[in-house]
Amino acid sequence: EAGVTQFPSHSVIEKGQTVTLRCDPISGHDNLYWYRRVMGKEIKFLLHFVKESKQDESGMPNNRFLAERTGGTYSTLKVQPAELEDSGVYFCASSQVTGKRYEQYFGPGTRLTVT
Amino acid sequence: QKEVEQNSGPLSVPEGAIASLNCTYSDRGSQSFFWYRQYSGKSPELIMSIYSNGDKEDGRFTAQLNKASQYVSLLIRDSQPSDSATYLCAVIRGGSYIPTFGRGTSLIVHP
Repeated sequence: EAGVTQFPSHSVIEKGQTVTLRCDPISGHDNLYWYRRVMGKEIKFLLHFVKESKQDESGMPNNRFLAERTGGTYSTLKVQPAELEDSGVYFCASSQVTGKRYEQYFGPGTRLTVT
Repeated sequence: QKEVEQNSGPLSVPEGAIASLNCTYSDRGSQSFFWYRQYSGKSPELIMSIYSNGDKEDGRFTAQLNKASQYVSLLIRDSQPSDSATYLCAVIRGGSYIPTFGRGTSLIVHP
């Protein structure tokens, strides 16, 4: 079974540019989560999808961040325009809706550097 | 007070010893508890989950939960150099799906 995949693995952009991150969850996992880890800090929740619906986006820092999950499969997270403080590692995770629904499986992350 | 606290370490133990990693949490409504292992530059990997007071064993790993003391720990028996990593504690409040993470404890197992 393929795990959670993320693309790209690294992205370096200039302040003011736009970047789109992609996450493909484990097949059959309807729960999809985005997290961010800034250097030296703990992993912080950004938002949660159940299928294509946003269940909780309380962690999104501001309206420069836009997440979508069209069709309830893969998800994208767009940052527009990027600021220096957006640098960090963005993780995606997925979990089942029933059974072990609290057990989340993480992707490899996208390391975003804004210069 | 941080919601989930872990000693950042590093915790250094010799090969073959027991490594003990600790985590405290502030929300008494927490119901689900997890330990993730993260190698440098890699993603967090779920290694243990525990939902009720007491011990839960899985191979060389034992998770211990004490809700009254708001404390969860991870014991690694017969530690190996390959266990060297950062161990993240995560806690989910009842009724939520969203974990709160600690900053992690760095473990070094030296030969």
